[in-house]
Amino acid sequence: DTGVSQDPRHKITKRGQNVTFRCDPISEHNRLYWYRQTLGQGPEFLTYFQNEAQLEKSRLLSDRFSAERPKGSFSTLEIQRTEQGDSAMYLCASSPPPTSAYRAGELFFGEGSRLTVL
Amino acid sequence: SQQGEEDPQALSIQEGENATMNCSYKTSINNLQWYRQNSGRGLVHLILIRSNEREKHSGRLRVTLDTSKKSSSLLITASRAADTASYFCATEGDSWGKLQFGAGTQVVVTP
Repeated sequence: DTGVSQDPRHKITKRGQNVTFRCDPISEHNRLYWYRQTLGQGPEFLTYFQNEAQLEKSRLLSDRFSAERPKGSFSTLEIQRTEQGDSAMYLCASSPPPTSAYRAGELFFGEGSRLTVL
Repeated sequence: SQQGEEDPQALSIQEGENATMNCSYKTSINNLQWYRQNSGRGLVHLILIRSNEREKHSGRLRVTLDTSKKSSSLLITASRAADTASYFCATEGDSWGKLQFGAGTQVVVTP
């Protein structure tokens, strides 16, 4: 499978615990994005990387959230001291560098990691 | 905050009928995209229309864009049960890949 891969698909944790999600983008995609989606809503942008550089972070990304992409390949999203309000689907997406063959702007999403904080 | 508003929030139709959903947005855009999401799954890109385009087709999909009204519509013709999903519009501004999504239209197609 050459799509975007996310792990774990489901995570149930108790309030106050730390959780980490991993995303493996499509090979050769230099951009990687994290979005969060709560029930009944559309995804909301959290952050994105170009190669290993984190270029933008949303105000939604509080100090308890940290994302890394150390070698410009996979990425991790860690949430420290989870709160019930963190319960959501965390979506990862990737996109290749712009070329004439690539329809600029299209994102390739993974299946998401669903977090439930009890 | 959500950039777009989608209308209707939910749509129930029978197989063979057409489904139309609308999206309005607030700020200037480079392009507008439509995505589909099956329950509990990731999003799948359907179609992208640039700000200088007015209409685009892809298979059974037809999308229009009116930048003067800051609105778009997605038409699915001859719907099938497999089209049952949530459909989201998303706008891209100046920041590549940073999409702002609407709240989505939930479409149910009954056989």
